[in-house]
Amino acid sequence: QVQLKESGPGLVQPSQTLSLTCTVSGFSLTSYSVHWVRQHSGKSLEWMGRMWSDGDTSYNSAFTSRLSISRDTSKSQVFLKMNSLQTEDTGTYYCARNRYGYSYFDYWGQGVMVTVSS
Amino acid sequence: DIRMTQSPASLSASLGETVNIECLASEDIYSDLAWYQQKPGKSPQLLIYNANSLQNGVPSRFSGSGSGTQYSLKINSLQSEDVATYFCQQYNNYPFTFGSGTKLEIK
Repeated sequence: QVQLKESGPGLVQPSQTLSLTCTVSGFSLTSYSVHWVRQHSGKSLEWMGRMWSDGDTSYNSAFTSRLSISRDTSKSQVFLKMNSLQTEDTGTYYCARNRYGYSYFDYWGQGVMVTVSS
Repeated sequence: DIRMTQSPASLSASLGETVNIECLASEDIYSDLAWYQQKPGKSPQLLIYNANSLQNGVPSRFSGSGSGTQYSLKINSLQSEDVATYFCQQYNNYPFTFGSGTKLEIK
């Protein structure tokens, strides 16, 4: 069955770089896009960017200058790297798959909580 | 960016009641709208896509409607397991944006 699972450090120091991994199973990264979405505690959701099935990327301009999404198809993994972290980057980070041909999310990971603090 | 204005922010209703949640887009999104349910401590789950299509496995008491800039989610015969926060999302234009959420509680 389709599964996505985020992993990464729970605590990051201000000004440092966040590195997260989304490991997927049950589908191929060469057939579906994977997105990153974050949620500040109990608040709304914010789309960050996507890795297309062909390896291209799209980003929310709110993050463009410090966000990078990449992948390793042999390991079925999608990576998020975001630099210059600030306390307002604290939140839960999700990866999600979109339905084929659309941009709504039919499967989500469990999320990984990231705290930015010294 | 397309702004999604969701209302109400919170809602309290009795078991068996019908509730409506609204989402207003700042421009026409041509029915490229999804609704998600998020239970405490869980990730969002897809309920409705393309404004009115029910995701497989979602109870038929959930329905979506709307077009243009105005959309709504209706829950008939409210059940205790419907306690959650509900979000709308537009996927017509980048960046994809979400409503601020509606927290639904049982009265």
